[in-house]
Amino acid sequence: EAGVVQSPRYKIIEKKQPVAFWCNPISGHNTLYWYRQNLGQGPELLIRYENEEAVDDSQLPKDRFSAERLKGVDSTLKIQPAELGDSAVYLCASSLMFMAGGVTSTDTQYFGPGTRLTVL
Amino acid sequence: SQQGEEDPQALSIQEGENATMNCSYKTSINNLQWYRQNSGRGLVHLILIRSNEREKHSGRLRVTLDTSKKSSSLLITASRAADTASYFCATGTEYGNKLVFGAGTILRVKS
Repeated sequence: EAGVVQSPRYKIIEKKQPVAFWCNPISGHNTLYWYRQNLGQGPELLIRYENEEAVDDSQLPKDRFSAERLKGVDSTLKIQPAELGDSAVYLCASSLMFMAGGVTSTDTQYFGPGTRLTVL
Repeated sequence: SQQGEEDPQALSIQEGENATMNCSYKTSINNLQWYRQNSGRGLVHLILIRSNEREKHSGRLRVTLDTSKKSSSLLITASRAADTASYFCATGTEYGNKLVFGAGTILRVKS
Protein backbone atom coordinates (compact mmCIF):
# COMPACT_ATOMS: atom_id res chain seq x y z
CA GLU A 1 0.00 0.00 0.00
CA ALA A 2 1.41 3.39 -0.97
CA GLY A 3 1.94 5.84 1.85
CA VAL A 4 1.26 9.55 1.97
CA VAL A 5 2.94 11.25 -0.95
CA GLN A 6 4.21 14.81 -0.81
CA SER A 7 5.91 17.01 -3.35
CA PRO A 8 8.23 18.70 -3.71
CA ARG A 9 10.59 17.31 -1.07
CA TYR A 10 12.64 20.48 -0.98
CA LYS A 11 11.90 24.07 -2.00
CA ILE A 12 14.09 27.16 -1.80
CA ILE A 13 12.52 30.51 -2.57
CA GLU A 14 13.13 34.17 -1.90
CA LYS A 15 10.92 36.04 0.50
CA LYS A 16 7.74 37.51 -0.90
CA GLN A 17 7.53 34.73 -3.49
CA PRO A 18 4.58 32.30 -3.55
CA VAL A 19 5.00 28.58 -2.91
CA ALA A 20 2.71 25.57 -3.02
CA PHE A 21 2.92 22.10 -1.54
CA TRP A 22 0.99 19.07 -2.69
CA CYS A 23 -0.16 16.01 -0.76
CA ASN A 24 -1.81 12.78 -1.82
CA PRO A 25 -3.11 10.83 1.19
CA ILE A 26 -3.39 7.09 1.62
CA SER A 27 -6.18 5.73 -0.54
CA GLY A 28 -9.47 5.68 1.31
CA HIS A 29 -8.39 8.00 4.10
CA ASN A 30 -11.03 10.66 4.52
CA THR A 31 -9.17 12.88 6.98
CA LEU A 32 -6.15 14.93 5.94
CA TYR A 33 -3.89 17.13 8.05
CA TRP A 34 -1.24 19.74 7.31
CA TYR A 35 1.40 20.33 9.97
CA ARG A 36 4.35 22.68 10.20
CA GLN A 37 7.49 21.55 11.99
CA ASN A 38 10.08 24.11 12.97
CA LEU A 39 13.66 23.04 13.62
CA GLY A 40 13.99 21.24 16.93
CA GLN A 41 10.25 21.22 17.58
CA GLY A 42 7.37 18.85 17.19
CA PRO A 43 4.82 19.32 14.40
CA GLU A 44 2.02 21.85 14.89
CA LEU A 45 -1.32 21.43 13.18
CA LEU A 46 -2.20 24.03 10.57
CA ILE A 47 -5.43 22.62 9.15
CA ARG A 48 -7.51 19.45 9.21
CA TYR A 49 -9.90 18.27 6.52
CA GLU A 50 -12.74 15.79 6.76
CA ASN A 51 -13.31 14.86 3.15
CA GLU A 52 -13.33 18.22 1.35
CA GLU A 53 -14.36 20.30 4.36
CA ALA A 54 -11.82 22.19 6.45
CA VAL A 55 -13.05 21.48 9.99
CA ASP A 56 -10.16 22.94 11.98
CA ASP A 57 -8.09 25.78 10.55
CA SER A 58 -7.66 27.77 13.74
CA GLN A 59 -3.87 27.58 13.52
CA LEU A 60 -3.62 28.55 9.85
CA PRO A 61 -2.27 32.10 9.31
CA LYS A 62 -5.03 33.10 6.95
CA ASP A 63 -3.46 36.32 5.78
CA ARG A 64 -0.88 34.43 3.76
CA PHE A 65 -1.71 30.73 3.94
CA SER A 66 -4.45 28.94 2.07
CA ALA A 67 -5.32 25.32 1.52
CA GLU A 68 -7.75 23.32 -0.51
CA ARG A 69 -8.81 19.73 -0.83
CA LEU A 70 -10.93 19.53 -3.91
CA LYS A 71 -12.87 16.28 -4.36
CA GLY A 72 -11.78 15.21 -0.90
CA VAL A 73 -8.63 13.44 -2.03
CA ASP A 74 -5.35 15.28 -2.62
CA SER A 75 -4.64 18.66 -1.11
CA THR A 76 -2.60 21.77 -1.78
CA LEU A 77 -1.16 24.18 0.79
CA LYS A 78 -0.10 27.59 -0.47
CA ILE A 79 1.85 30.46 1.04
CA GLN A 80 1.69 33.87 -0.60
CA PRO A 81 3.83 35.82 0.01
CA ALA A 82 6.40 33.75 1.89
CA GLU A 83 8.31 35.27 4.79
CA LEU A 84 11.63 34.29 6.33
CA GLY A 85 9.85 32.81 9.33
CA ASP A 86 7.99 30.35 7.12
CA SER A 87 11.14 28.25 6.73
CA ALA A 88 10.17 24.87 8.15
CA VAL A 89 9.18 21.35 7.18
CA TYR A 90 5.56 21.05 6.06
CA LEU A 91 4.10 17.64 6.81
CA CYS A 92 0.95 16.09 5.48
CA ALA A 93 -0.80 13.25 7.27
CA SER A 94 -3.94 11.22 6.68
CA SER A 95 -6.17 8.97 8.71
CA LEU A 96 -9.46 7.14 8.54
CA MET A 97 -12.44 8.42 10.47
CA PHE A 98 -14.75 5.72 11.75
CA MET A 99 -17.78 5.18 13.95
CA ALA A 100 -17.36 3.16 17.13
CA GLY A 101 -20.05 2.85 19.76
CA GLY A 102 -21.98 5.72 18.25
CA VAL A 103 -18.96 8.02 18.48
CA THR A 104 -17.03 9.31 15.51
CA SER A 105 -13.34 8.88 16.01
CA THR A 106 -10.09 8.81 14.11
CA ASP A 107 -7.06 6.80 14.92
CA THR A 108 -3.52 6.55 13.70
CA GLN A 109 -2.25 9.36 11.55
CA TYR A 110 0.16 8.39 8.79
CA PHE A 111 2.67 11.02 7.78
CA GLY A 112 4.31 11.81 4.49
CA PRO A 113 8.04 12.61 4.19
CA GLY A 114 7.43 16.35 4.28
CA THR A 115 8.51 19.34 2.23
CA ARG A 116 11.47 21.28 3.57
CA LEU A 117 10.95 24.97 2.75
CA THR A 118 13.79 27.46 2.91
CA VAL A 119 12.92 31.12 2.49
CA LEU A 120 15.91 33.36 1.72
CA SER B 1 1.25 25.67 21.31
CA GLN B 2 2.67 22.30 22.31
CA GLN B 3 1.03 20.34 25.08
CA GLY B 4 3.43 17.48 25.57
CA GLU B 5 6.84 17.92 27.08
CA GLU B 6 9.35 15.15 26.62
CA ASP B 7 12.09 14.40 29.06
CA PRO B 8 15.00 14.18 28.58
CA GLN B 9 15.60 16.43 25.59
CA ALA B 10 18.48 14.21 24.52
CA LEU B 11 19.61 10.73 25.50
CA SER B 12 22.75 8.85 24.53
CA ILE B 13 23.13 5.15 25.34
CA GLN B 14 25.09 2.11 24.28
CA GLU B 15 23.62 -0.52 22.02
CA GLY B 16 21.83 -3.18 24.04
CA GLU B 17 20.85 -0.84 26.84
CA ASN B 18 17.28 0.23 27.53
CA ALA B 19 16.07 3.73 26.72
CA THR B 20 13.32 5.45 28.66
CA MET B 21 11.63 8.65 27.54
CA ASN B 22 8.95 10.50 29.44
CA CYS B 23 6.13 12.72 28.33
CA SER B 24 3.96 15.04 30.39
CA TYR B 25 0.86 16.83 29.19
CA LYS B 26 -1.60 19.38 30.53
CA THR B 27 -5.21 18.67 29.53
CA SER B 28 -7.51 15.65 29.39
CA ILE B 29 -6.89 13.33 26.49
CA ASN B 30 -8.55 10.53 24.57
CA ASN B 31 -5.30 8.86 23.58
CA LEU B 32 -1.56 9.36 23.57
CA GLN B 33 0.69 8.32 20.71
CA TRP B 34 4.40 7.96 20.22
CA TYR B 35 6.11 8.68 16.92
CA ARG B 36 9.66 8.27 15.68
CA GLN B 37 11.35 10.60 13.22
CA ASN B 38 14.63 9.79 11.57
CA SER B 39 16.70 12.74 10.39
CA GLY B 40 15.14 14.36 7.35
CA ARG B 41 12.23 11.95 7.26
CA GLY B 42 8.55 11.98 8.11
CA LEU B 43 7.08 10.68 11.35
CA VAL B 44 6.48 6.97 11.83
CA HIS B 45 3.71 5.89 14.17
CA LEU B 46 4.96 3.57 16.91
CA ILE B 47 2.16 2.95 19.35
CA LEU B 48 -1.14 4.36 20.57
CA ILE B 49 -2.46 4.03 24.10
CA ARG B 50 -5.99 5.08 25.03
CA SER B 51 -6.91 6.99 28.15
CA ASN B 52 -8.51 3.90 29.72
CA GLU B 53 -5.36 1.81 29.24
CA ARG B 54 -2.37 1.77 31.57
CA GLU B 55 0.23 -0.18 29.65
CA LYS B 56 0.80 -1.40 26.12
CA HIS B 57 3.49 -3.43 24.42
CA SER B 58 4.65 -3.67 20.84
CA GLY B 59 7.78 -5.66 20.14
CA ARG B 60 10.62 -3.97 22.03
CA LEU B 61 8.41 -1.02 22.94
CA ARG B 62 6.54 -0.61 26.20
CA VAL B 63 4.34 2.39 26.85
CA THR B 64 2.71 3.33 30.12
CA LEU B 65 0.10 5.97 30.77
CA ASP B 66 -0.79 7.57 34.09
CA THR B 67 -3.74 9.88 33.54
CA SER B 68 -3.75 10.99 37.18
CA LYS B 69 -0.25 12.37 36.74
CA LYS B 70 -0.83 13.30 33.10
CA SER B 71 2.30 11.47 32.06
CA SER B 72 3.47 8.67 29.82
CA SER B 73 6.70 6.81 29.32
CA LEU B 74 8.18 4.98 26.36
CA LEU B 75 10.65 2.20 27.05
CA ILE B 76 12.75 0.76 24.25
CA THR B 77 14.44 -2.44 25.35
CA ALA B 78 17.69 -3.84 23.95
CA SER B 79 18.29 -0.73 21.88
CA ARG B 80 19.94 -0.88 18.47
CA ALA B 81 21.88 1.68 16.47
CA ALA B 82 18.88 1.84 14.11
CA ASP B 83 16.77 3.21 16.99
CA THR B 84 18.71 6.47 16.75
CA ALA B 85 16.04 9.08 15.99
CA SER B 86 13.84 11.73 17.55
CA TYR B 87 10.86 10.45 19.51
CA PHE B 88 7.70 12.50 19.94
CA CYS B 89 4.67 12.01 22.10
CA ALA B 90 1.38 13.41 20.88
CA THR B 91 -1.91 13.71 22.72
CA GLY B 92 -5.14 13.11 20.87
CA THR B 93 -8.68 14.37 21.39
CA GLU B 94 -11.76 12.24 21.01
CA TYR B 95 -13.30 13.76 17.92
CA GLY B 96 -11.05 14.40 14.98
CA ASN B 97 -8.05 13.23 16.97
CA LYS B 98 -6.29 16.56 16.83
CA LEU B 99 -2.74 15.67 17.82
CA VAL B 100 -0.66 18.03 19.91
CA PHE B 101 3.01 17.13 19.82
CA GLY B 102 5.78 17.71 22.28
CA ALA B 103 9.24 18.96 21.33
CA GLY B 104 10.69 15.45 21.25
CA THR B 105 13.56 13.48 22.71
CA ILE B 106 16.66 12.93 20.59
CA LEU B 107 17.90 9.39 21.14
CA ARG B 108 21.37 8.35 20.07
CA VAL B 109 22.32 4.68 20.31
CA LYS B 110 26.04 4.10 20.02
CA SER B 111 27.32 0.83 18.59
